[in-house]
Amino acid sequence: GAGVSQSPSNKVTEKGKDVELRCDPISGHTALYWYRQSLGQGLEFLIYFQGNSAPDKSGLPSDRFSAERTGGSVSTLTIQRTQQEDSAVYLCASSLVGGPETQYFGPGTRLLVL
Amino acid sequence: GNSVTQMEGPVTLSEEAFLTINCTYTATGYPSLFWYVQYPGEGLQLLLKATKADDKGSNKGFEATYRKETTSFHLEKGSVQVSDSAVYFCALTMMDSSYKLIFGSGTRLLVRP
Repeated sequence: GAGVSQSPSNKVTEKGKDVELRCDPISGHTALYWYRQSLGQGLEFLIYFQGNSAPDKSGLPSDRFSAERTGGSVSTLTIQRTQQEDSAVYLCASSLVGGPETQYFGPGTRLLVL
Repeated sequence: GNSVTQMEGPVTLSEEAFLTINCTYTATGYPSLFWYVQYPGEGLQLLLKATKADDKGSNKGFEATYRKETTSFHLEKGSVQVSDSAVYFCALTMMDSSYKLIFGSGTRLLVRP
Protein backbone atom coordinates (compact mmCIF):
# COMPACT_ATOMS: atom_id res chain seq x y z
CA GLY A 1 0.00 0.00 0.00
CA ALA A 2 0.93 3.67 -0.02
CA GLY A 3 3.63 4.82 2.32
CA VAL A 4 3.95 8.02 4.30
CA SER A 5 3.78 11.02 2.01
CA GLN A 6 4.95 14.57 2.67
CA SER A 7 4.52 17.82 0.86
CA PRO A 8 6.09 19.90 -0.43
CA SER A 9 9.26 17.96 -1.14
CA ASN A 10 11.25 21.19 -1.18
CA LYS A 11 10.49 24.61 0.22
CA VAL A 12 12.52 27.77 -0.07
CA THR A 13 11.37 30.71 2.01
CA GLU A 14 12.60 34.03 3.24
CA LYS A 15 13.57 34.66 6.81
CA GLY A 16 10.56 35.81 8.82
CA LYS A 17 7.92 34.07 6.71
CA ASP A 18 5.66 31.29 8.00
CA VAL A 19 5.71 27.82 6.43
CA GLU A 20 3.42 24.80 6.63
CA LEU A 21 4.61 21.26 6.04
CA ARG A 22 2.15 18.43 5.48
CA CYS A 23 2.28 14.74 6.33
CA ASP A 24 -0.11 11.99 5.22
CA PRO A 25 0.54 8.89 7.33
CA ILE A 26 -0.08 5.32 6.29
CA SER A 27 -3.78 4.58 6.44
CA GLY A 28 -4.76 3.03 9.77
CA HIS A 29 -1.67 4.18 11.62
CA THR A 30 -2.66 5.87 14.84
CA ALA A 31 0.77 7.17 15.84
CA LEU A 32 2.48 10.02 13.98
CA TYR A 33 5.87 11.58 14.60
CA TRP A 34 7.78 14.59 13.31
CA TYR A 35 11.59 14.62 13.28
CA ARG A 36 14.15 17.06 11.98
CA GLN A 37 17.42 16.16 10.26
CA SER A 38 19.95 18.95 10.20
CA LEU A 39 23.71 19.16 9.78
CA GLY A 40 24.36 20.57 13.20
CA GLN A 41 21.88 18.54 15.25
CA GLY A 42 21.57 15.22 13.47
CA LEU A 43 18.19 13.50 13.65
CA GLU A 44 16.02 14.88 16.44
CA PHE A 45 12.49 14.24 17.61
CA LEU A 46 10.03 17.11 17.44
CA ILE A 47 6.50 15.95 18.29
CA TYR A 48 4.39 12.80 18.66
CA PHE A 49 0.65 12.22 18.20
CA GLN A 50 -1.12 9.09 19.41
CA GLY A 51 -4.81 8.82 18.68
CA ASN A 52 -6.82 11.40 20.62
CA SER A 53 -4.26 11.78 23.39
CA ALA A 54 -2.51 15.06 24.04
CA PRO A 55 0.57 15.24 21.82
CA ASP A 56 4.08 14.98 23.20
CA LYS A 57 5.60 18.31 22.21
CA SER A 58 8.78 17.93 24.20
CA GLY A 59 11.05 18.10 21.16
CA LEU A 60 9.78 21.35 19.65
CA PRO A 61 12.75 23.75 19.69
CA SER A 62 10.80 26.96 20.24
CA ASP A 63 7.28 28.36 20.42
CA ARG A 64 7.57 29.27 16.74
CA PHE A 65 6.98 25.60 16.01
CA SER A 66 3.55 24.00 16.28
CA ALA A 67 1.80 20.99 14.83
CA GLU A 68 -1.69 19.67 14.59
CA ARG A 69 -3.28 16.47 13.46
CA THR A 70 -6.78 16.71 12.07
CA GLY A 71 -9.19 13.79 12.26
CA GLY A 72 -6.47 11.51 13.50
CA SER A 73 -4.84 11.39 10.08
CA VAL A 74 -3.13 14.24 8.23
CA SER A 75 -0.70 16.39 10.19
CA THR A 76 0.63 19.88 9.56
CA LEU A 77 3.84 21.25 11.05
CA THR A 78 3.90 25.04 11.11
CA ILE A 79 6.99 27.16 11.60
CA GLN A 80 6.30 30.83 12.23
CA ARG A 81 8.77 33.64 11.56
CA THR A 82 11.30 31.24 10.08
CA GLN A 83 14.98 31.65 10.88
CA GLN A 84 18.00 30.43 8.93
CA GLU A 85 18.71 27.82 11.60
CA ASP A 86 15.35 26.23 10.78
CA SER A 87 16.82 25.03 7.48
CA ALA A 88 16.72 21.23 7.62
CA VAL A 89 14.92 18.18 6.32
CA TYR A 90 11.67 17.64 8.20
CA LEU A 91 10.70 13.98 8.40
CA CYS A 92 7.34 12.52 9.27
CA ALA A 93 6.86 8.94 10.43
CA SER A 94 3.86 6.84 11.37
CA SER A 95 3.33 3.55 13.12
CA LEU A 96 0.38 1.26 13.69
CA VAL A 97 0.25 2.17 17.34
CA GLY A 98 2.65 3.83 19.73
CA GLY A 99 5.28 1.68 21.32
CA PRO A 100 8.16 -0.27 19.82
CA GLU A 101 6.22 -0.76 16.63
CA THR A 102 8.16 0.04 13.49
CA GLN A 103 8.02 3.67 12.46
CA TYR A 104 7.75 4.20 8.71
CA PHE A 105 9.29 7.39 7.42
CA GLY A 106 8.21 9.69 4.64
CA PRO A 107 10.64 11.15 2.10
CA GLY A 108 10.90 14.42 4.01
CA THR A 109 10.50 18.09 3.21
CA ARG A 110 13.73 19.96 2.59
CA LEU A 111 13.34 23.47 3.98
CA LEU A 112 15.75 26.25 3.09
CA VAL A 113 15.40 29.60 4.82
CA LEU A 114 17.24 32.39 3.04
CA GLY B 1 19.01 11.08 29.72
CA ASN B 2 18.66 8.38 27.12
CA SER B 3 21.17 8.49 24.27
CA VAL B 4 22.85 6.54 21.50
CA THR B 5 26.52 6.70 20.52
CA GLN B 6 27.78 5.45 17.17
CA MET B 7 31.26 5.13 15.79
CA GLU B 8 32.46 8.04 13.73
CA GLY B 9 32.46 7.68 9.99
CA PRO B 10 33.01 7.52 7.20
CA VAL B 11 33.79 3.83 7.06
CA THR B 12 35.40 2.82 3.76
CA LEU B 13 35.58 -0.85 2.82
CA SER B 14 36.28 -2.93 -0.23
CA GLU B 15 33.54 -5.13 -1.61
CA GLU B 16 33.20 -8.46 0.26
CA ALA B 17 34.89 -7.09 3.39
CA PHE B 18 33.46 -7.67 6.85
CA LEU B 19 31.55 -4.77 8.35
CA THR B 20 31.09 -3.74 11.96
CA ILE B 21 29.48 -0.46 12.98
CA ASN B 22 29.55 0.02 16.72
CA CYS B 23 26.57 1.31 18.65
CA THR B 24 26.19 1.71 22.40
CA TYR B 25 23.30 3.16 24.32
CA THR B 26 22.48 4.77 27.62
CA ALA B 27 18.98 4.24 28.92
CA THR B 28 17.22 4.36 32.26
CA GLY B 29 15.01 1.39 31.44
CA TYR B 30 14.71 -1.31 28.81
CA PRO B 31 14.76 0.15 25.32
CA SER B 32 13.91 -1.35 21.99
CA LEU B 33 16.81 -0.99 19.57
CA PHE B 34 16.83 -0.29 15.85
CA TRP B 35 19.10 0.19 12.89
CA TYR B 36 17.80 2.49 10.17
CA VAL B 37 19.49 3.03 6.80
CA GLN B 38 19.40 6.00 4.46
CA TYR B 39 20.53 5.23 0.92
CA PRO B 40 21.70 8.16 -1.24
CA GLY B 41 18.72 10.25 -2.28
CA GLU B 42 16.24 8.10 -0.38
CA GLY B 43 14.35 8.27 2.89
CA LEU B 44 15.02 6.48 6.15
CA GLN B 45 14.21 2.78 6.13
CA LEU B 46 14.13 0.33 8.97
CA LEU B 47 16.91 -2.23 8.53
CA LEU B 48 16.41 -4.38 11.63
CA LYS B 49 15.29 -4.24 15.23
CA ALA B 50 15.41 -6.05 18.58
CA THR B 51 13.02 -5.47 21.42
CA LYS B 52 14.61 -7.34 24.33
CA ALA B 53 17.97 -8.49 25.60
CA ASP B 54 19.71 -11.24 23.59
CA ASP B 55 17.36 -10.78 20.65
CA LYS B 56 19.09 -10.79 17.27
CA GLY B 57 17.69 -8.64 14.49
CA SER B 58 18.60 -9.56 10.93
CA ASN B 59 17.80 -8.40 7.42
CA LYS B 60 19.56 -8.31 4.03
CA GLY B 61 22.59 -10.09 5.48
CA PHE B 62 22.95 -7.57 8.31
CA GLU B 63 22.73 -8.66 11.94
CA ALA B 64 22.76 -6.99 15.33
CA THR B 65 22.40 -8.54 18.79
CA TYR B 66 20.90 -6.67 21.75
CA ARG B 67 23.55 -6.98 24.47
CA LYS B 68 22.24 -5.70 27.78
CA GLU B 69 25.47 -6.44 29.66
CA THR B 70 27.50 -4.18 27.37
CA THR B 71 24.59 -1.86 26.39
CA SER B 72 25.46 -2.41 22.76
CA PHE B 73 23.76 -3.16 19.45
CA HIS B 74 26.60 -3.42 16.94
CA LEU B 75 25.71 -3.85 13.28
CA GLU B 76 27.57 -6.55 11.32
CA LYS B 77 27.61 -7.94 7.82
CA GLY B 78 29.89 -10.68 6.63
CA SER B 79 30.41 -9.47 3.06
CA VAL B 80 29.45 -5.95 2.02
CA GLN B 81 28.42 -4.91 -1.47
CA VAL B 82 28.72 -1.59 -3.26
CA SER B 83 24.95 -1.28 -2.94
CA ASP B 84 25.31 -1.19 0.87
CA SER B 85 26.86 2.27 0.65
CA ALA B 86 24.58 4.44 2.78
CA VAL B 87 24.29 6.18 6.12
CA TYR B 88 23.37 3.88 9.01
CA PHE B 89 21.61 5.15 12.13
CA CYS B 90 21.35 3.30 15.41
CA ALA B 91 18.29 4.29 17.46
CA LEU B 92 16.28 3.39 20.53
CA THR B 93 12.80 3.88 21.89
CA MET B 94 11.76 3.67 25.50
CA MET B 95 8.70 2.03 26.98
CA ASP B 96 7.26 5.32 28.10
CA SER B 97 4.36 7.34 26.85
CA SER B 98 5.97 8.77 23.74
CA TYR B 99 8.09 6.04 22.11
CA LYS B 100 10.05 8.63 20.20
CA LEU B 101 13.13 7.40 18.38
CA ILE B 102 16.41 8.65 19.78
CA PHE B 103 19.04 8.45 17.08
CA GLY B 104 22.78 8.22 17.02
CA SER B 105 24.68 10.61 14.80
CA GLY B 106 24.84 8.21 11.88
CA THR B 107 27.75 6.40 10.24
CA ARG B 108 28.42 6.77 6.55
CA LEU B 109 29.55 3.56 4.83
CA LEU B 110 31.29 3.66 1.48
CA VAL B 111 31.96 0.36 -0.24
CA ARG B 112 34.41 0.42 -3.12
CA PRO B 113 34.34 -2.15 -5.94
